[in-house]
Amino acid sequence: EAQVTQNPRYLITVTGKKLTVTCSQNMNHEYMSWYRQDPGLGLRQIYYSMNVEVTDKGDVPEGYKVSRKEKRNFPLILESPSPNQTSLYFCASSTWGRNQPQHFGDGTRLSIL
Amino acid sequence: GEDVEQSLFLSVREGDSSVINCTYTDSSSTYLYWYKQEPGAGLQLLTYIFSNMDMKQDQRLTVLLNKKDKHLSLRIADTQTGDSAIYFCADTGFQKLVFGTGTRLLVSP
Repeated sequence: EAQVTQNPRYLITVTGKKLTVTCSQNMNHEYMSWYRQDPGLGLRQIYYSMNVEVTDKGDVPEGYKVSRKEKRNFPLILESPSPNQTSLYFCASSTWGRNQPQHFGDGTRLSIL
Repeated sequence: GEDVEQSLFLSVREGDSSVINCTYTDSSSTYLYWYKQEPGAGLQLLTYIFSNMDMKQDQRLTVLLNKKDKHLSLRIADTQTGDSAIYFCADTGFQKLVFGTGTRLLVSP
């Protein structure tokens, strides 16, 4: 089954404790992206990757890092999480091309205390 | 930059039609999307429309595009309680999707 898998689905942690949210897709997609969803703001892009070893900032990259060492994986790293990063996070992937529909994971709800 | 706006809330009765509206600012948009988000789930692609089309129909879903007014709508015929969800309109920005804030659709029996 074609899917985008995120882990963990839920996480409660404390300020400053490094965490990684994993994202994996099995569709051989070139493009992958991370979004955060906040009430009243819709989804905003954090980082994206057009292929292995190619990443770039989205609209709200501050406080986040990413890497793309393999085509299928695109982890989101919070080196020193803060309460304003409490949010619902989505990973998405698509084939290459500006207008290709993106496939989303089920989301990761992070709470930073 | 690009901007997409939606109303926040819509309430309908089961069996009625629902119409969710969206406006966007990017005049170079080529594809516009509708996504559905059910509680605790990710975003599910419902349908999309190419900018040279005025209308697209897919079973109970009808998408209307007024490119002159930059207005997009999603009509759900015979709305069911299972259609209760948040619906997002999205525009294709540079290397990303630009989302509206989402419209929460509540369907009452």
